[in-house]
Amino acid sequence: KNQVEQSPQSLIILEGKNCTLQCNYTVSPFSNLRWYKQDTGRGPVSLTIMTFSENTKSNGRYTATLDADTKQSSLHITASQLSDSASYICVVSKAGANNLFFGTGTRLTVIP
Amino acid sequence: NAGVTQTPKFRVLKTGQSMTLLCAQDMNHEYMYWYRQDPGMGLRLIHYSVGEGTTAKGEVPDGYNVSRLKKQNFLLGLESAAPSQTSVYFCASSSRLGANYGYTFGSGTRLTVV
Repeated sequence: KNQVEQSPQSLIILEGKNCTLQCNYTVSPFSNLRWYKQDTGRGPVSLTIMTFSENTKSNGRYTATLDADTKQSSLHITASQLSDSASYICVVSKAGANNLFFGTGTRLTVIP
Repeated sequence: NAGVTQTPKFRVLKTGQSMTLLCAQDMNHEYMYWYRQDPGMGLRLIHYSVGEGTTAKGEVPDGYNVSRLKKQNFLLGLESAAPSQTSVYFCASSSRLGANYGYTFGSGTRLTVV
């Protein structure tokens, strides 16, 4: 069964601190993995997209890693800001399929 | 550049009523999608379209119909709304199907069926 699981479900951190979000997947055959940021009441916005051959990709203070062998990915946020408060969704694309598999997201709250 | 625009943003329906959600994109994308997002669940694909005049079923198509009469528009219809269709609906578009290309999402339509 194609699944995407994220942990933790929710996380509260102090402004300025770093954090790491986890994503494990069973989607096969694998095509690519994406991290999205979804602000409350808004649609998801793409942060990174990684293919099988990429094991790290950065977008500003966001750095995503991918281990295609263990089917795990992480999203590291450096020097968090209040505006980082959002849900972060891991999405895996199956090769040759017309669908994406979404995780349920990690709800991050950054407090001053 | 508006990207993907969804209307309406909010709607309350009575059971059995019908309505149409409109999605419009100005990026000349070939592919468009309708998803629903429910608490504790990932987004699930309802229907999608790979081009003007084409539609296909996704993971949870029952109770919904779609039309893609113009390339820039993708309509989602509920013929007889049910409380189980209470959800947040997102439209998305992309320039390629699936791999290696990002999706652009709209800001969502919150639908409540009472």
